[in-house]
Amino acid sequence: AQTVTQSQPEMSVQEAETVTLSCTYDTSESDYYLFWYKQPPSRQMILVIRQEAYKQQNATENRFSVNFQKAAKSFSLKISDSQLGDAAMYFCAYRSPEGFGNEKLTFGTGTRLTIIP
Amino acid sequence: DVKVTQSSRYLVKRTGEKVFLECVQDMDHENMFWYRQDPGLGLRLIYFSYDVKMKEKGDIPEGYSVSREKKERFSLILESASTNQTSMYLCASSPPAGSGGTDTQYFGPGTRLTVL
Repeated sequence: AQTVTQSQPEMSVQEAETVTLSCTYDTSESDYYLFWYKQPPSRQMILVIRQEAYKQQNATENRFSVNFQKAAKSFSLKISDSQLGDAAMYFCAYRSPEGFGNEKLTFGTGTRLTIIP
Repeated sequence: DVKVTQSSRYLVKRTGEKVFLECVQDMDHENMFWYRQDPGLGLRLIYFSYDVKMKEKGDIPEGYSVSREKKERFSLILESASTNQTSMYLCASSPPAGSGGTDTQYFGPGTRLTVL
């Protein structure tokens, strides 16, 4: 079974600075998908960024980018120019390759990010 | 935009009561999921469904059952609520795998259930 580990329960960053959230995973599969989800306080969980393991290029979405190290099984999220609205719980998640029964996600325990004005 | 709604944001029930949590999605998604979120444990999958009347156990199905009579609706049932089922419950939906990058899961706002 796959496991996802987020070793930083809490992080804080000064507004406008850059912060990196860590995520490692364990799998024997060669192809898979990785996600970062954001859960703002009292609001719905939303997808931040998605990475396909067969793609070597790191995914980027505006101020959010990932550092995907397949050999090291590491998938960190970098948030540049942090804003107050980035304050949230961030979850890293893993999904097996496409196929019937593989749609479920395995989540890490989350990192609570605080933005300091 | 995909919309996933859950019947209640907050719910308080007594031990032994039968509890129904309802989830509705408006995007004709085949897949629907129920998760439980607890501090320090992240999200854990309770049950999921690929289609109407189809269900699969997740990682922590004990004490729960589900029902999917219509494609847009997925219900989580606590047959006899217990205090250790006090938690945040999140519903999600997604199109089937292989949907070309649109196969991510969309979440509802959550139901915070307290069992006394």
